[in-house]
Amino acid sequence: GAGVSQSPRYKVAKRGQDVALRCDPISGHVSLFWYQQALGQGPEFLTYFQNEAQLDKSGLPSDRFFAERPEGSVSTLKIQRTQQEDSAVYLCASSLGALGGALSWFFGPGTRLTVL
Amino acid sequence: AQKVTQAQTEISVVEKEDVTLDCVYETRDTTYYLFWYKQPPSGELVFLIRRNSFDEQNEISGRYSWNFQKSTSSFNFTITASQVVDSAVYFCALSEKDNYGQNFVFGPGTRLSVLP
Repeated sequence: GAGVSQSPRYKVAKRGQDVALRCDPISGHVSLFWYQQALGQGPEFLTYFQNEAQLDKSGLPSDRFFAERPEGSVSTLKIQRTQQEDSAVYLCASSLGALGGALSWFFGPGTRLTVL
Repeated sequence: AQKVTQAQTEISVVEKEDVTLDCVYETRDTTYYLFWYKQPPSGELVFLIRRNSFDEQNEISGRYSWNFQKSTSSFNFTITASQVVDSAVYFCALSEKDNYGQNFVFGPGTRLSVLP
């Protein structure tokens, strides 16, 4: 596709349930980010991939959060045993380049997760 | 540590009015990048502009203009002759050099409502 896509767009989970959020970056983009955006706030960094390598996962809030990008393209963010505080929009962004500076980031539409 | 402040939580204007969105940042780096993103109700973050710290020239793009003042650590965004389609949340963001997205910090956002 022409842009970054994410699925599902909306997810409702019961507390304790595991969820998996998918990101399809722009084809050929080396860098991929996940951000968490709580209601009424700006996005906050979760993790960064350069191709299949997860180079920074310091933003993941707990060990219940896990992200992977096994073939250097599609990425999945998995949240185990969801809690109400996990309710947020999860944004994915990709960039052609491999360096920081976020020079040309393209964001997906996000997945809105609601944990009941 | 870097920080972005957007003091205006919400702004309402009537169509055709000019409006300025404020952004103040903090960083210890001498090389950094500043961004503005628009987030319409659809949820995607739409890139508007990127400036590096060595380029203090103001920029105009159609009805949009940006005023970068290093002396006051501000990067304000003005929409001239606002339109209803400008209604969105606007985020200012800061990225320091040579680091991954952990250093791509967003402000809390300003919700702009343009009334017909």
